[in-house]
Amino acid sequence: DAGVTQSPTHLIKTRGQQVTLRCSPKSGHDTVSWYQQALGQGPQFIFQYYEEEERQRGNFPDRFSGHQFPNYSSELNVNALLLGDSALYLCASSFLDRRNTEAFFGQGTRLTVV
Amino acid sequence: GDSVTQMEGPVTLSEEAFLTINCTYTATGYPSLFWYVQYPGEGLQLLLKATKADDKGSNKGFEATYRKETTSFHLEKGSVQVSDSAVYFCALTTTDSWGKLQFGAGTQVVVTP
Repeated sequence: DAGVTQSPTHLIKTRGQQVTLRCSPKSGHDTVSWYQQALGQGPQFIFQYYEEEERQRGNFPDRFSGHQFPNYSSELNVNALLLGDSALYLCASSFLDRRNTEAFFGQGTRLTVV
Repeated sequence: GDSVTQMEGPVTLSEEAFLTINCTYTATGYPSLFWYVQYPGEGLQLLLKATKADDKGSNKGFEATYRKETTSFHLEKGSVQVSDSAVYFCALTTTDSWGKLQFGAGTQVVVTP
């Protein structure tokens, strides 16, 4: 089992550009969540996808959007990049079933905006 | 809203010392509580969890007890090793927003030989 995989691992973009980050969930998991972790801080919830729909959303602007595919993989898109978007972006997969509470995280994508 | 507060780091300890990291929370729904660990350059790994009051989560010598009366979930380990050096995050999810993890700011632990 490959666990949660994210690509790319590192990315450098210029202000104003757009970026797409990708996530493949752990085998069998149906729910994908995205988090932003700024340096020295805890992860902040961006949004969660289940059955190709956004189920929950954190306090992030509309520049942050996502998608989930039929195979449960997911993308995070960020438009009009700002310097403040520089962070580690983490993907987590889980079951929506509340009886199974563990979320598994990928290694993250380190985004640097210059 | 929901929030998690944990003690600031860095916490520096000698090998075999006792470790405690305090974590308190506020939640509108009934929370499940977690401790995650992040090693340098890596993602988050679940260390332990507790889903109801008075539950004790344990793993790799770490323990934490869900205390509803004090809204706390303090992490403890009796004898730390250099390999325990990492950043530790306390987190919760609630029945009102299932699957959305609310994290604390993290506590860096440095264990010296």
